[in-house]
Amino acid sequence: GESVGLHLPTLSVQEGDNSIINCAYSNSASDYFIWYKQESGKGPQFIIDIRSNMDKRQGQRVTVLLNKTVKHLSLQIAATQPGDSAVYFCAESAGSARQLTFGSGTQLTVLP
Amino acid sequence: DAGVIQSPRHEVTEMGQEVTLRCKPISGHNSLFWYRQTMMRGLELLIYFNNNVPIDDSGMPEDRFSAKMPNASFSTLKIQPSEPRDSAVYFCASSLAGTGYGYTFGSGTRLTVV
Repeated sequence: GESVGLHLPTLSVQEGDNSIINCAYSNSASDYFIWYKQESGKGPQFIIDIRSNMDKRQGQRVTVLLNKTVKHLSLQIAATQPGDSAVYFCAESAGSARQLTFGSGTQLTVLP
Repeated sequence: DAGVIQSPRHEVTEMGQEVTLRCKPISGHNSLFWYRQTMMRGLELLIYFNNNVPIDDSGMPEDRFSAKMPNASFSTLKIQPSEPRDSAVYFCASSLAGTGYGYTFGSGTRLTVV
């Protein structure tokens, strides 16, 4: 078996508070970004996406911010709920490439 | 819409055996991706198909791994012979070109090679 695993960043928030999950990307050519949510035992689920010609996009209770200058992406979740507890991944793609490259993920835990 | 369907959900096999993982993409989607997820390496792209044609297989670990997509509604990922280090969760995802690159993932196959 594996003795060393990825050290997932963790974020614990109180129910009802806002959550901010951050992601740094390295490919300056990346022009499309997605946030995924993965609950235990399930596949990643699409949350929200943003193209590089935008710096902010809002969905239902979620907002994605993109700062291309410092190659940083964030996901804001408003009024965090217990059902938001999961691992959150950012993913990026560049140009005509169809494939996404995923970050290592952040474990969000919502405390009652 | 039943989503992306993967089978089996769990597979336990002995080292050296052949393993075949199956995926049915969402009807109408024309791109299909195979990913592997481990604690060590996170989510890694193994191979992807566009219109049933393999486009990029640079992520396939070695010759023991092969993938096929004989038609638009079915793909397989085969490992022969399997090794303990192949133990992981294997995800299939599909998408439709022109609608953004957001994939829809299946529930995954958890493979354990003992």
